[in-house]
Amino acid sequence: GDSVTQMEGPVTLSEEAFLTINCTYTATGYPSLFWYVQYPGEGLQLLLKATKADDKGSNKGFEATYRKETTSFHLEKGSVQVSDSAVYFCALRLNAGNNRKLIWGLGTSLGVNP
Amino acid sequence: KAGVTQTPRYLIKTRGQQVTLSCSPISGHRSVSWYQQTPGQGLQFLFEYFSETQRNKGNFPGRFSGRQFSNSRSEMNVSTLELGDSALYLCASSMRPTSSGNSIYFGEGSWLTVV
Repeated sequence: GDSVTQMEGPVTLSEEAFLTINCTYTATGYPSLFWYVQYPGEGLQLLLKATKADDKGSNKGFEATYRKETTSFHLEKGSVQVSDSAVYFCALRLNAGNNRKLIWGLGTSLGVNP
Repeated sequence: KAGVTQTPRYLIKTRGQQVTLSCSPISGHRSVSWYQQTPGQGLQFLFEYFSETQRNKGNFPGRFSGRQFSNSRSEMNVSTLELGDSALYLCASSMRPTSSGNSIYFGEGSWLTVV
Protein backbone atom coordinates (compact mmCIF):
# COMPACT_ATOMS: atom_id res chain seq x y z
CA GLY A 1 0.00 0.00 0.00
CA ASP A 2 0.88 3.66 -0.03
CA SER A 3 3.34 4.63 2.67
CA VAL A 4 6.01 7.06 3.82
CA THR A 5 9.24 6.02 5.52
CA GLN A 6 11.41 8.46 7.41
CA MET A 7 14.78 7.96 9.02
CA GLU A 8 14.46 7.19 12.69
CA GLY A 9 15.43 9.76 15.26
CA PRO A 10 16.34 11.35 17.38
CA VAL A 11 18.87 13.30 15.37
CA THR A 12 21.21 15.51 17.40
CA LEU A 13 23.39 18.14 15.75
CA SER A 14 25.51 21.07 16.74
CA GLU A 15 24.52 24.54 15.62
CA GLU A 16 25.57 25.35 12.04
CA ALA A 17 25.84 21.67 11.10
CA PHE A 18 24.38 20.33 7.87
CA LEU A 19 21.06 18.52 8.17
CA THR A 20 19.59 15.72 6.11
CA ILE A 21 16.43 13.88 7.08
CA ASN A 22 15.66 11.07 4.67
CA CYS A 23 12.17 10.38 3.41
CA THR A 24 11.14 7.76 0.87
CA TYR A 25 7.67 6.86 -0.28
CA THR A 26 5.64 4.16 -1.92
CA ALA A 27 2.64 5.31 -3.89
CA THR A 28 0.62 4.58 -6.97
CA GLY A 29 0.52 7.40 -9.43
CA TYR A 30 2.10 10.77 -8.84
CA PRO A 31 1.61 12.05 -5.30
CA SER A 32 2.26 15.48 -3.88
CA LEU A 33 4.91 15.51 -1.16
CA PHE A 34 5.13 17.59 2.00
CA TRP A 35 7.30 18.32 4.99
CA TYR A 36 5.61 19.48 8.18
CA VAL A 37 7.33 20.68 11.35
CA GLN A 38 6.03 20.40 14.91
CA TYR A 39 7.69 22.68 17.46
CA PRO A 40 7.44 21.73 21.15
CA GLY A 41 3.92 22.18 22.45
CA GLU A 42 2.50 23.20 19.10
CA GLY A 43 0.58 21.66 16.24
CA LEU A 44 2.05 20.86 12.85
CA GLN A 45 2.98 23.57 10.38
CA LEU A 46 3.54 23.15 6.68
CA LEU A 47 7.25 23.67 6.02
CA LEU A 48 7.44 23.03 2.28
CA LYS A 49 5.88 21.02 -0.49
CA ALA A 50 6.41 19.77 -4.05
CA THR A 51 3.69 18.66 -6.39
CA LYS A 52 5.57 17.04 -9.28
CA ALA A 53 8.83 15.32 -10.11
CA ASP A 54 11.99 17.46 -9.94
CA ASP A 55 10.17 20.26 -8.09
CA LYS A 56 12.14 21.74 -5.22
CA GLY A 57 10.28 23.02 -2.19
CA SER A 58 12.06 25.53 0.03
CA ASN A 59 11.30 27.59 3.12
CA LYS A 60 13.26 29.02 6.07
CA GLY A 61 16.53 27.65 4.65
CA PHE A 62 15.13 24.13 4.30
CA GLU A 63 14.94 22.42 0.91
CA ALA A 64 13.63 19.15 -0.46
CA THR A 65 13.59 17.89 -4.05
CA TYR A 66 10.95 15.52 -5.39
CA ARG A 67 12.95 12.62 -6.86
CA LYS A 68 10.69 10.25 -8.76
CA GLU A 69 13.50 7.91 -9.81
CA THR A 70 14.45 7.23 -6.19
CA THR A 71 10.96 7.89 -4.73
CA SER A 72 12.52 10.26 -2.23
CA PHE A 73 11.93 13.70 -0.75
CA HIS A 74 14.87 14.25 1.60
CA LEU A 75 14.85 17.37 3.76
CA GLU A 76 18.09 19.38 3.91
CA LYS A 77 19.37 22.53 5.55
CA GLY A 78 22.88 23.88 5.21
CA SER A 79 23.26 25.33 8.69
CA VAL A 80 20.85 24.44 11.48
CA GLN A 81 19.99 26.66 14.42
CA VAL A 82 18.87 25.83 17.94
CA SER A 83 15.43 27.13 16.99
CA ASP A 84 15.14 24.34 14.40
CA SER A 85 14.77 21.79 17.20
CA ALA A 86 11.43 20.13 16.46
CA VAL A 87 9.83 17.02 15.03
CA TYR A 88 9.73 16.83 11.24
CA PHE A 89 7.08 14.86 9.36
CA CYS A 90 7.17 13.79 5.75
CA ALA A 91 3.80 13.20 4.11
CA LEU A 92 2.28 12.40 0.74
CA ARG A 93 -1.10 12.96 -0.79
CA LEU A 94 -2.34 10.88 -3.65
CA ASN A 95 -3.71 12.94 -6.49
CA ALA A 96 -6.08 10.40 -8.00
CA GLY A 97 -8.97 8.36 -6.79
CA ASN A 98 -11.67 9.13 -4.28
CA ASN A 99 -9.67 8.94 -1.09
CA ARG A 100 -6.96 11.59 -1.18
CA LYS A 101 -6.10 11.80 2.47
CA LEU A 102 -2.59 12.61 3.60
CA ILE A 103 -0.34 9.68 4.47
CA TRP A 104 2.28 10.46 7.11
CA GLY A 105 5.69 9.28 8.14
CA LEU A 106 6.34 8.62 11.82
CA GLY A 107 8.30 11.82 12.30
CA THR A 108 11.97 12.51 13.02
CA SER A 109 12.94 14.40 16.15
CA LEU A 110 15.75 16.91 15.69
CA GLY A 111 17.68 18.47 18.56
CA VAL A 112 20.22 21.20 17.89
CA ASN A 113 22.78 22.05 20.56
CA PRO A 114 24.37 25.50 20.84
CA LYS B 1 -6.35 36.11 12.10
CA ALA B 2 -6.88 33.49 14.76
CA GLY B 3 -5.50 30.04 14.11
CA VAL B 4 -7.07 26.68 14.74
CA THR B 5 -8.28 26.48 18.33
CA GLN B 6 -8.65 23.21 20.18
CA THR B 7 -10.17 22.70 23.61
CA PRO B 8 -9.43 21.43 26.11
CA ARG B 9 -5.63 21.38 25.85
CA TYR B 10 -5.14 18.75 28.52
CA LEU B 11 -7.47 16.27 30.13
CA ILE B 12 -7.37 13.09 32.14
CA LYS B 13 -10.11 10.48 31.95
CA THR B 14 -10.59 7.01 33.38
CA ARG B 15 -11.17 3.85 31.42
CA GLY B 16 -14.75 3.41 30.29
CA GLN B 17 -15.55 7.10 30.29
CA GLN B 18 -16.25 9.13 27.20
CA VAL B 19 -14.65 12.37 26.04
CA THR B 20 -15.57 15.17 23.66
CA LEU B 21 -12.92 17.36 22.06
CA SER B 22 -13.65 20.59 20.24
CA CYS B 23 -12.01 22.31 17.30
CA SER B 24 -12.68 25.77 15.89
CA PRO B 25 -11.12 26.15 12.44
CA ILE B 26 -9.61 29.26 10.96
CA SER B 27 -12.32 31.72 9.97
CA GLY B 28 -13.52 30.94 6.48
CA HIS B 29 -12.24 27.37 6.52
CA ARG B 30 -14.90 24.74 5.98
CA SER B 31 -12.85 21.56 6.15
CA VAL B 32 -11.79 20.02 9.46
CA SER B 33 -9.69 16.87 9.84
CA TRP B 34 -8.83 14.99 13.01
CA TYR B 35 -5.65 13.04 13.72
CA GLN B 36 -4.39 10.92 16.57
CA GLN B 37 -0.68 11.24 17.35
CA THR B 38 1.19 8.69 19.45
CA PRO B 39 4.92 7.95 19.72
CA GLY B 40 4.55 4.41 18.42
CA GLN B 41 2.07 4.96 15.61
CA GLY B 42 2.87 8.48 14.53
CA LEU B 43 0.10 10.55 13.00
CA GLN B 44 -3.04 8.57 12.22
CA PHE B 45 -5.95 10.03 10.28
CA LEU B 46 -9.32 9.79 12.03
CA PHE B 47 -11.82 11.58 9.81
CA GLU B 48 -12.47 14.68 7.75
CA TYR B 49 -15.55 16.86 7.61
CA PHE B 50 -16.51 19.43 5.03
CA SER B 51 -19.70 21.45 5.14
CA GLU B 52 -21.08 19.24 7.93
CA THR B 53 -20.54 16.03 5.95
CA GLN B 54 -17.98 13.36 6.70
CA ARG B 55 -15.83 12.96 3.60
CA ASN B 56 -13.17 10.51 4.67
CA LYS B 57 -12.66 8.14 7.54
CA GLY B 58 -9.57 6.38 8.82
CA ASN B 59 -9.26 2.91 10.28
CA PHE B 60 -10.49 3.52 13.80
CA PRO B 61 -13.22 1.65 15.67
CA GLY B 62 -16.74 2.99 15.94
CA ARG B 63 -15.97 4.33 19.43
CA PHE B 64 -14.43 7.27 17.61
CA SER B 65 -16.97 9.62 16.08
CA GLY B 66 -17.21 13.19 15.03
CA ARG B 67 -19.45 15.87 13.68
CA GLN B 68 -19.28 19.32 12.21
CA PHE B 69 -21.64 22.19 12.84
CA SER B 70 -22.97 24.81 10.47
CA ASN B 71 -20.34 27.30 11.68
CA SER B 72 -17.63 24.74 10.72
CA ARG B 73 -16.69 24.02 14.32
CA SER B 74 -16.13 20.34 14.85
CA GLU B 75 -16.24 17.93 17.74
CA MET B 76 -14.88 14.44 18.09
CA ASN B 77 -16.09 11.97 20.66
CA VAL B 78 -14.47 8.85 22.00
CA SER B 79 -16.68 6.51 24.00
CA THR B 80 -15.69 3.69 26.34
CA LEU B 81 -12.15 4.98 26.65
CA GLU B 82 -9.25 2.54 26.69
CA LEU B 83 -5.72 3.07 27.96
CA GLY B 84 -4.47 2.95 24.38
CA ASP B 85 -6.53 6.02 23.52
CA SER B 86 -4.03 8.17 25.40
CA ALA B 87 -2.62 10.44 22.73
CA LEU B 88 -2.40 13.92 21.31
CA TYR B 89 -5.47 14.63 19.18
CA LEU B 90 -4.82 17.17 16.47
CA CYS B 91 -7.32 19.10 14.44
CA ALA B 92 -6.48 20.63 11.09
CA SER B 93 -8.48 23.06 8.99
CA SER B 94 -8.39 24.13 5.37
CA MET B 95 -10.58 26.17 3.11
CA ARG B 96 -11.62 23.21 1.00
CA PRO B 97 -11.29 19.44 1.41
CA THR B 98 -7.70 18.24 1.70
CA SER B 99 -8.09 16.42 -1.61
CA SER B 100 -8.27 19.81 -3.32
CA GLY B 101 -4.64 20.52 -2.53
CA ASN B 102 -5.19 23.43 -0.17
CA SER B 103 -2.71 23.75 2.67
CA ILE B 104 -3.93 22.47 6.01
CA TYR B 105 -3.31 24.26 9.29
CA PHE B 106 -3.04 22.44 12.58
CA GLY B 107 -4.13 23.39 16.05
CA GLU B 108 -1.95 22.78 19.09
CA GLY B 109 -3.82 19.64 19.98
CA SER B 110 -5.63 18.16 22.94
CA TRP B 111 -3.58 15.89 25.19
CA LEU B 112 -5.74 13.04 26.43
CA THR B 113 -4.51 10.73 29.17
CA VAL B 114 -6.60 7.69 30.05
CA VAL B 115 -5.88 6.13 33.43
